[in-house]
Amino acid sequence: DQQVKQNSPSLSVQEGRISILNCDYTNSMFDYFLWYKKYPAEGPTFLISISSIKDKNEDGRFTVFLNKSAKHLSLHIVPSQPGDSAVYFCAARGTDMRFGAGTRLTVKP
Amino acid sequence: DVKVTQSSRYLVKRTGEKVFLECVQDMDHENMFWYRQDPGLGLRLIYFSYDVKMKEKGDIPEGYSVSREKKERFSLILESASTNQTSMYLCASSPRTGLTYNEQFFGPGTRLTVL
Repeated sequence: DQQVKQNSPSLSVQEGRISILNCDYTNSMFDYFLWYKKYPAEGPTFLISISSIKDKNEDGRFTVFLNKSAKHLSLHIVPSQPGDSAVYFCAARGTDMRFGAGTRLTVKP
Repeated sequence: DVKVTQSSRYLVKRTGEKVFLECVQDMDHENMFWYRQDPGLGLRLIYFSYDVKMKEKGDIPEGYSVSREKKERFSLILESASTNQTSMYLCASSPRTGLTYNEQFFGPGTRLTVL
């Protein structure tokens, strides 16, 4: 039962453009959402988060948007850089933490 | 800087062997977790622990056990390794705040291959 879904396994964008990574969830009891970034041969690292009482959180080039009515969140990276190429995991916190399957972002120079 | 270390980056074992994966964190975190990461499935929680000698089953505990004798160390045990346990294993830790879990800090992972 995948409560957190990332339906796009991969995304390719040009350097300087916007990257939009999407995540859907089914459990309305989730109260906190996080994005993690994972490079090959490394563990995931925390990127940005948002509480369910907010609809937007921004940190530099990274912005997370939350649409509670649609049970959807997205991560915007602008401008995208080649160093952003990684796998991005969406996670949702309820009584435990649930992760999506990940989206592999490739930013082309 | 929080550091989570895992004893091996790569491990190759034979079917039926007993396998120990060790994880150590240096930030005095109460919570520790073991996940496995498989393509298309993301991170799935095997076991977690919120205190010394305490353990809770995650989503896929079958075929695994854990041990937490010291706060900083959380071990994952495969009693009799099988080929379907070939995977990337990730350990994580987090401080405990209230009843739920904060941002988790991950180790680099152990890629286990069972032949």
